[in-house]
Amino acid sequence: GAVVSQHPSRVICKSGTSVKIECRSLDFQATTMFWYRQFPKQSLMLMATSNEGSKATYEQGVEKDKFLINHASLTLSTLTVTSAHPEDSSFYICSASTFLGRGQRVEQFFGPGTRLTVL
Amino acid sequence: GEDVEQSLFLSVREGDSSVINCTYTDSSSTYLYWYKQEPGAGLQLLTYIFSNMDMKQDQRLTVLLNKKDKHLSLRIADTQTGDSAIYFCAEHTSGTYKYIFGTGTRLKVLA
Repeated sequence: GAVVSQHPSRVICKSGTSVKIECRSLDFQATTMFWYRQFPKQSLMLMATSNEGSKATYEQGVEKDKFLINHASLTLSTLTVTSAHPEDSSFYICSASTFLGRGQRVEQFFGPGTRLTVL
Repeated sequence: GEDVEQSLFLSVREGDSSVINCTYTDSSSTYLYWYKQEPGAGLQLLTYIFSNMDMKQDQRLTVLLNKKDKHLSLRIADTQTGDSAIYFCAEHTSGTYKYIFGTGTRLKVLA
């Protein structure tokens, strides 16, 4: 099956620093990648949708300058949390999507997540 | 806007059946999914159902869909301790990429 990896799995950083999280589709080319944020005991909140080679589409309320997304290839997307603060601490999950052929079902394959802790 | 609701907690005894419920509001939903999330991990797709189906069975999992009431359920037969996790339903409209996730149900299986 389709595999999506994320790196790092955990990161602890000081307030004010920037952190980059990578999301890779290992055995397929992803048309689109998604970035989600999950607070403890809460659902996934879609942050942004990115298509290879174009600017990401951010959901309402998500700061573009704070959460920089780059989707340079069909297998790699990165999320950079700039000038991180403690309130940015969260579990960040990416997913990668591809058309499966029949009909228009678009399956998302999820990465294992990255736990960010900002001190 | 779209809204997907689930009950927050469910506790069952090992060997019993679990039923997790989900209600959604978007009548244009084409596919409905059930995902499992174990602690500190990403989401694992369990099963999905196309909106023109009423039921889908996959080993211990049975999905029921009542499109009129916009109600989806996941039944896990012979629930095991390894089934303890958070379960999310999600809806998706064909032709779009966006998934709308439910609030998640935390299933606890008692030995």
